Order: sequence, then structure tokens, then C-alpha cells
Amino acid sequence: QVQLVQSGAEVKKPGASVKVSCRSSGYTFTNFYIHWVRQAPGQGLEWMGIMNGGGSNANQAQKFQGRLTMTRDTSTSTVYMELSSLRSDDTAVYYCARVLAATGNHYLEYWGQGTPVTVSS
Amino acid sequence: QSALPQPRSVSGSPGRSVTISCTGTSSDVGGYNYVSWYQQLPGKAPKLLIYDVNKRPSGVPDRFSGSKSGNTASLTISGLQAEDEADYYCSSYAGTYTWVFGGGTKLTVL
Repeated sequence: QVQLVQSGAEVKKPGASVKVSCRSSGYTFTNFYIHWVRQAPGQGLEWMGIMNGGGSNANQAQKFQGRLTMTRDTSTSTVYMELSSLRSDDTAVYYCARVLAATGNHYLEYWGQGTPVTVSS
Repeated sequence: QSALPQPRSVSGSPGRSVTISCTGTSSDVGGYNYVSWYQQLPGKAPKLLIYDVNKRPSGVPDRFSGSKSGNTASLTISGLQAEDEADYYCSSYAGTYTWVFGGGTKLTVL
């Protein structure tokens, strides 16, 4: 069965960077795109970016330009999301999610369990 | 890209129906038929309920239905059940390989 397993909770100081991993299993990693979504405490979902498990195609929300880096390791079927210059309002649960098959890359069918990131001095 | 406006909360009695709206613009909801809806139970990851405006993934009950008119998408839940109490989010493609979520609606089953 398809599974996305994310790395554990992180606590970072303002100005630092955080790198969250998302390891996929149960499907051909290079055939699907992965989205990153975050959710601040008590708030809604926020789309962050998308990357191709099978290539270098990627895009991100304009508000993260210059701070968000998404990478992949096909040998371990893992995608990484690194957010730099952290601020207190980056405190959130970060999710990776795989797209629904055969429908373009618009819909998020399989989700990781979420990685809480706390930014605090 | 700001979050798509949704009502903060809706409520309904068991067995009744509720509709949640998601208001966008011609640059997102109105411009593409790539609208989806997600259900999020407390402390859980979201679950895809509706895609392509009105299609249901396998396993989603037909009590959940989606529609779109102009720049506004809607999710209707009929035959409300206690287990439907959750947060609901719309999402739309917004062009140039970007997406946007709605602000979320908390459904209370009375």
C-alpha cells in the first residue's frame, strides 16, 4: 500500500533552517509528483510547493521564493523540503502528499503523517 | 495568493444536508475545473473527498457531492452523520503550476 513517512518533530531558533524528509513506498516514486502543504496551529492549510519525483520540475508559492528548497533522492524514494530563515510564523505542521493518479497533479490522495516544526527562541 | 474564502463554520442536524461554499476568482476556481475538497478530522492529515469539481475517489460515500457555478464551488453533505464533524477545505488550481486552499470550514453536527 502507498505510504508516505515523514521525519520527526523539529524545534528551531529564528533564523535557522529546517529540513523535513518524506519517504515514499508502495508505488513507483518517479511516476508521481509530491506537494508540500503546511498548517499553522489552529489555522488552515497552506500550499507551499510541488516537485516531480521523476525529474527536476518543481514550483513553489511566491511567498516562499528564496526560502524554500525541495529536493529528491530517487535511490531512497525520498523527497526533502528545506525552509530557511525561519520565523515564528513558520511554526506549523508540514505535510507531504502524493498526487492522485491519472488526474494531472492537482489532487492530494496520499498524505504523510505531518511533521511539527516549532520556531522559538 | 490569499486563501479562498469559506464560511468559518456551518452546522446541521443528523440526517439533514449542509452546503459549504468556496469563493474564488476567474484566476482560480472560475478559470479551471480543478477544484477539490478535503476533510480533516482533529489531529489527522486531510483526506481527499472530491476532485475535478464533482468526482469522488473510491471509498468516499455518495453523500458527499461537489459543484461549481462561476467563481464559486460548493460541497454538499447530505444525510449528515456525527462522524462528518470535521474541518473542510476547498482547493483550486491557480495557474502557472500553483494551487490555493480555502480558509476552511468547521462543520458541527448538532
